[in-house]
Amino acid sequence: EVHLVESGGGLVQSGGSLRLSCAASGFSFSSSWMSWVRQAPGKGLEWVANIKQDGSEKYYVDSVKGRFTISRDNAKNSLYLQMNSLRDEDTAVYYCAREGGGYYMDVWGKGTTVTVSS
Amino acid sequence: QSVLTQPPSVSGAPGQRVTISCTGSSSNIGAGYDVHWYQQLPGTAPKLLIYGNSNRPSGVPDRFSGSKSGTSASLAVTGLQSEDEADYYCQSYDTSLSGYVFGTGTKVTVL
Repeated sequence: EVHLVESGGGLVQSGGSLRLSCAASGFSFSSSWMSWVRQAPGKGLEWVANIKQDGSEKYYVDSVKGRFTISRDNAKNSLYLQMNSLRDEDTAVYYCAREGGGYYMDVWGKGTTVTVSS
Repeated sequence: QSVLTQPPSVSGAPGQRVTISCTGSSSNIGAGYDVHWYQQLPGTAPKLLIYGNSNRPSGVPDRFSGSKSGTSASLAVTGLQSEDEADYYCQSYDTSLSGYVFGTGTKVTVL
């Protein structure tokens, strides 16, 4: 069965850092583009970043450029999101998602919650 | 902010048909990029409902259908059921932003 499990969320002070992880299983992780999507409390979905199969291409939403870094370790079937200089507006549930090959996300994890407190 | 606009809410009685619109622009839907739809049940992660404008993943009932025209797309739910109460989001790619964009989201209420 295809599974994505996020971890690493928590409470952090404004300006602090956090590293999210996503463990993948049940599919060929190294063959898939992967994305991070977030959802602020009571708000809609916002795509954050994605990364190509071999890590050679990475894209970010403007609001996190220069602060967040997406990476992956295909040997460990894992996706990461390093978040630095965190702001209150980064408070959200962060979802890891597999891209289905047509610019959409076909498998989602259950999410991990990040709370930034000033 | 979201660049794809959806109505905040739609409602219908059990068995009825409801539609959700998703309005974009020439840099996303109008540029030829496909539209995809997700269903998010309360307290859960989003789930892919429609991909490539009108395709249903395995396991999604054929009560759900999607279409696209010009700079807009729509999701139709026929034979509305209580378990369809959820938030629905459209999604596409935006060439100006060089990234994925989601709609503002629509809450479906079954009366």
